[in-house]
Amino acid sequence: GAGVSQSPSNKVTEKGKDVELRCDPISGHTALYWYRQSLGQGLEFLIYFQGNSAPDKSGLPSDRFSAERTGGSVSTLTIQRTQQEDSAVYLCASSLTSGGAGYEQYFGPGTRLTVT
Amino acid sequence: EDQVTQSPEALRLQEGESSSLNCSYTVSGLRGLFWYRQDPGKGPEFLFTLYSAGEEKEKERLKATLTKKESFLHITAPKPEDSATYLCAVLASGGGADGLTFGKGTHLIIQP
Repeated sequence: GAGVSQSPSNKVTEKGKDVELRCDPISGHTALYWYRQSLGQGLEFLIYFQGNSAPDKSGLPSDRFSAERTGGSVSTLTIQRTQQEDSAVYLCASSLTSGGAGYEQYFGPGTRLTVT
Repeated sequence: EDQVTQSPEALRLQEGESSSLNCSYTVSGLRGLFWYRQDPGKGPEFLFTLYSAGEEKEKERLKATLTKKESFLHITAPKPEDSATYLCAVLASGGGADGLTFGKGTHLIIQP
């Protein structure tokens, strides 16, 4: 079946502009996750959704970052007033459930964001 | 704070030369330990989940094991196509977030 898809695959933006990154999870997966992977750094957890709600937003780096999920499916990560330090690969993952067996997370190909 | 440390950072092997990658972890309570493979320019690919000490899982030339403090990914008679970055991650039982805590990975190169 289809895996996690993300769009765009690459995004170049000017400092100060807003960007939206999209994630389509695997069909039937109730949990959705956003991570960031910077050069030389490990994957950094940002936020997760169970259904349409995000129980914990504390991983978001600043209040310029926000995310939403509608219809228990597609999610959008929005970065306002982008800064150069936001340049990274943004990865989305989904899992069947958020607890117990079945919470293996499957990742999309990522969106490479470059802020100039 | 949950921590995951992987070693070595990089490993270069000859084709057929077996070795092991290490993942040491510190968590408040382990719900699961995960191994992923990541190729350049791609997202991580799920390999294994281990839930409790003593558990082992195998897939082709890879075998993952788990103790109370660390996990090993054993690679037997590797081939060049096994070259990739191998990531270890843990899911802790404390708190409300279900995000994984990742190590920085081991960059594995298998030379023909």
